[in-house]
Amino acid sequence: SYELTQPPSVSVSPGQTASITCSGDKLGNIYASWYQQRPGQSPVLVIYQDNRRPSGIPERFSGSNSGNTATLTISGTQTWDEADYYCQAWDSMTAVFGGGTKLTVL
Amino acid sequence: QITLRESGPTLVKPTQTLTLTCTFSGFSLSTSGVGVGWIRQPPGQGLEWLAVIYWNDKNRYSPSLKSRLTLTKDTSKNQAIFTMTDMDPVDTATYYCARVVTSTGNWFDPWGQGTLVTVSS
Repeated sequence: SYELTQPPSVSVSPGQTASITCSGDKLGNIYASWYQQRPGQSPVLVIYQDNRRPSGIPERFSGSNSGNTATLTISGTQTWDEADYYCQAWDSMTAVFGGGTKLTVL
Repeated sequence: QITLRESGPTLVKPTQTLTLTCTFSGFSLSTSGVGVGWIRQPPGQGLEWLAVIYWNDKNRYSPSLKSRLTLTKDTSKNQAIFTMTDMDPVDTATYYCARVVTSTGNWFDPWGQGTLVTVSS
């Protein structure tokens, strides 16, 4: 079965740029989505189709996907961006989530 | 505005069948390109995709759970129904439903609030 691998944790200072990676076999050949989940809340879509932002998501959130790696980049990270982030893709019409990355802003 | 809400039992016994209902508004499951997906999250753990039902009844299930899952829909009530048989304590999790947007690359947006299901005798 298809697998997506994320680093368990990433730390960033406020105002700096955070990058969260998601690795999978030939991931660049399929679309990746990213979800933000704050503690005690439901996941929220922040990136779809590799690099598109839904309405209401700040411009500081961006995405890329090439080769075997998709990347979520948060520019000018704010303290309220601290959350768990999950990548997700579809393989053979089944959905797969990465294990999640805890973003700490300190 | 699109909203989804999961409902069902909060406690089930081992071997019992879990039935959850996702009641939604702002879209229709009879519209081409629309689906409702189910995802769960055990306490303190990550997200696990379970299944999706589409407007054309082309359901898809997680290969590891396929034998235990069934999805149906009631378009007149704007509901999607999720059934999982033979529940076990390891199935304890928050269960979410989410709208699936089908395009070149599907995505889940938005999500329901989730419902915590505990499996215990």
